[in-house]
Amino acid sequence: AQSVSQHNHHVILSEAASLELGCNYSYGGTVNLFWYVQYPGQHLQLLLKYFSGDPLVKGIKGFEAEFIKSKFSFNLRKPSVQWSDTAEYFCAVNQGGKLIFGQGTELSVKP
Amino acid sequence: DGGITQSPKYLFRKEGQNVTLSCEQNLNHDAMYWYRQDPGQGLRLIYYSQIVNDFQKGDIAEGYSVSREKKESFPLTVTSAQKNPTAFYLCASSHLANTGELFFGEGSRLTVL
Repeated sequence: AQSVSQHNHHVILSEAASLELGCNYSYGGTVNLFWYVQYPGQHLQLLLKYFSGDPLVKGIKGFEAEFIKSKFSFNLRKPSVQWSDTAEYFCAVNQGGKLIFGQGTELSVKP
Repeated sequence: DGGITQSPKYLFRKEGQNVTLSCEQNLNHDAMYWYRQDPGQGLRLIYYSQIVNDFQKGDIAEGYSVSREKKESFPLTVTSAQKNPTAFYLCASSHLANTGELFFGEGSRLTVL
């Protein structure tokens, strides 16, 4: 069965620092990949998605992610974080109509 | 306003009691899902339904039950058989079952006393 690993449980950065959150999935073949974000007190929302085509996908608020098939990875990046990026970030993989989530990474950005 | 409504937002129950969490969507989505969110464990799938009158177990279905009698409604019952029911429960829906693009409700926090 598919599983998703997020290696960083809690990341603390200062504003303007660069961000990279790791995500690896276990199952090969065709995959649909997602990053979701949960801001404090808000519901989970889609940040970006990869279905096919260009492996570098761009999402909302300046986030991007790169799909590397050979590494089973879909890391999330942002060149310069802001205090408002403080949130919990979840990587997810679609398997047969089910979305399998990673453990989540809590990002704290210091002003 | 279109979206997913979960109720109640907070719920307390005594051990041995069943409790039902409501989830309603007006997005005309076919698929609906229930997840459980625990700190450090991410979201784990409890049950999902791709069409009315049909649903499938997720990864942690034991101690839970669901029904899907209407397209817009997918209530979750946390039974007394669930050994560790205190958690944050999230309901979600998607237009097509296989896209993975989920829309989430605001969640229901259940505390068992």
